Amino acid sequence: EAGVAQSPRYKIIEKRQSVAFWCNPISGHATLYWYQQILGQGPKLLIQFQNNGVVDDSQLPKDRFSAERLKGVDSTLKIQPAKLEDSAVYLCASSRGGSYNSPLHFGNGTRLTVT
Amino acid sequence: AQRVTQPEKLLSVFKGAPVELKCNYSYSGSPELFWYVQYSRQRLQLLLRHISRESIKGFTADLNKGETSFHLKKPFAQEEDSAMYYCALIGAAGNKLTFGGGTRVLVKP
Repeated sequence: EAGVAQSPRYKIIEKRQSVAFWCNPISGHATLYWYQQILGQGPKLLIQFQNNGVVDDSQLPKDRFSAERLKGVDSTLKIQPAKLEDSAVYLCASSRGGSYNSPLHFGNGTRLTVT
Repeated sequence: AQRVTQPEKLLSVFKGAPVELKCNYSYSGSPELFWYVQYSRQRLQLLLRHISRESIKGFTADLNKGETSFHLKKPFAQEEDSAMYYCALIGAAGNKLTFGGGTRVLVKP
């Protein structure tokens, strides 16, 4: 099966600019996740979708981050405006069901550098 | 709140030596625990999970509820085991998967 696709692979922006990341999950996977991984740390969940509904966004900085999953398939994550501390790898993952019973399949990630 | 701690940032062992990656967790109920691995230039992927009770690539992990630990072990490390390893926890169905900070394993020839 084709894996989780993410674009772009790399992005460099200046602080206060906006940026968007795109994710296409594995076909048939109902659950989609966005994780933020800061250098030297483990991935931190930003938002979890079940089909096109939000399951958990408790750690999403909603004043600057937004995410949507239209039609329950592709998803976009946006940051506006970006801060220096947003520099990280943004990982998208999908699973057939919830993460309790279904392994997460990760994309290659988007490495964001904010200068 | 649930938390996963991996105390070692880096483990360096020689090929053929045993390797043990420590993972401690805090969670008030009965969690499900996982080990994820990321090889160089590859995606993060599931290595094994506690509920499966399986050995993958020679690795095993035992859940010790008394010590709230889920250490990953392999009796004879191979060079291809060099990677980043992440311990992860989920508290209940519908709960979020929480990762530890990761341990880099370097297996020297």
